[in-house]
Amino acid sequence: DVKVTQSSRYLVKRTGEKVFLECVQDMDHENMFWYRQDPGLGLRLIYFSYDVKMKEKGDIPEGYSVSREKKERFSLILESASTNQTSMYLCASLQVPDTQYFGPGTRLTVL
Amino acid sequence: KQEVTQIPAALSVPEGENLVLNCSFTDSAIYNLQWFRQDPGKGLTSLLLIQSSQREQTSGRLNASLDKSSGRSTLYIAASQPGDSATYLCAVKNSGYALNFGKGTSLLVTP
Repeated sequence: DVKVTQSSRYLVKRTGEKVFLECVQDMDHENMFWYRQDPGLGLRLIYFSYDVKMKEKGDIPEGYSVSREKKERFSLILESASTNQTSMYLCASLQVPDTQYFGPGTRLTVL
Repeated sequence: KQEVTQIPAALSVPEGENLVLNCSFTDSAIYNLQWFRQDPGKGLTSLLLIQSSQREQTSGRLNASLDKSSGRSTLYIAASQPGDSATYLCAVKNSGYALNFGKGTSLLVTP
């Protein structure tokens, strides 16, 4: 079975802190994604990566950056966390051509 | 930009009922459509994937149909059970790898 893991299930940070969310997949997939999910807004794509060191902006990249140094690991970085970044963050990995596997999510609260 | 709408936003039914969840999308030039299930506080699990050339897919008590020309898909759940209680998300893929998600239908099946 494909496994996508995220470093934390729950995270509480303070405004202005630098935050790292880690995602690891064990199936050698090239494509990985970061989404955020908010009530009333659904899932929105932040960034995706189609290979090591390659990335593309999604619909809402502002305030975020990403890092993909190894194929299995895709990190989402909040350079200076703000309260409007309180959300559920979901990582996904794509088995080409069509199947996205999702991690369990990280619920981030920024105080 | 592709917009995906799911109706109803919430649904409560007694156990044993057959039910239909609806998904509509504005751009009919889709590559495929997927239905996902999300349990509270968890990630997404893929239920059914319909390619643009297909009309329906079935898995157990679930049947998903696709009418690309009218921009609609339905998820039919037969003989609902309390374990079916979850949020059901519809997602459409156009070009590229990213998915466009609806906001989901929250389903409660009462014993």
